[in-house]
Amino acid sequence: EDKVVQSPLSLVVHEGDTVTLNCSYEVTNFRSLLWYKQEKKAPTFLFMLTSSGIEKKSGRLSSILDKKELSSILNITATQTGDSAIYLCAVILNTGTASKLTFGTGTRLQVTL
Amino acid sequence: DAGVIQSPRHEVTEMGQEVTLRCKPISGHNSLFWYRQTMMRGLELLIYFNNNVPIDDSGMPEDRFSAKMPNASFSTLKIQPSEPRDSAVYFCASSFHNSPLHFGNGTRLTVT
Repeated sequence: EDKVVQSPLSLVVHEGDTVTLNCSYEVTNFRSLLWYKQEKKAPTFLFMLTSSGIEKKSGRLSSILDKKELSSILNITATQTGDSAIYLCAVILNTGTASKLTFGTGTRLQVTL
Repeated sequence: DAGVIQSPRHEVTEMGQEVTLRCKPISGHNSLFWYRQTMMRGLELLIYFNNNVPIDDSGMPEDRFSAKMPNASFSTLKIQPSEPRDSAVYFCASSFHNSPLHFGNGTRLTVT
């Protein structure tokens, strides 16, 4: 059975801290790994990673994929209260037809003042 | 771009009633997905369609759940009869080929 595991499950940090969120996967026919941020409503897309070792960056957020270790990390530097959210990792499988995503249960991040 | 549109935003119903959730995908997207999110199990894929055809419904919990996509711009997820354990947020998402999924704002279903 395809599995995506995220850690930690939840995290509380102070504003300005740097955090690292982890995602590991055991799936057949891996194609890509995605990170989403979910605040109150719909998950919003952050990054898509397909190749190992290439860092994707957007402002204070960055992510990298390690296909040998079957894992990815999401880093957030100089955290702000607006970063408080659930961060979801998902894996796209090669289904041959559509981009089927399997999600982890998420990491709930709370950034306090 | 209006994004993925779901209705209703909230639904409260009594056990045994039929519930229909609706979704309008982003125009031009050819894949549509129904997910259910709970605290315990996170986001679970229920069913997905490609070019209006159901491809994988292995995530549909049981026969009480059914989904249709009569055309490229509309899909429904029906639960009949509903049960309290169906209470969750139901998300619809769409994508085009290998692009990331775009999610709707979800329907929060409460079955009492």
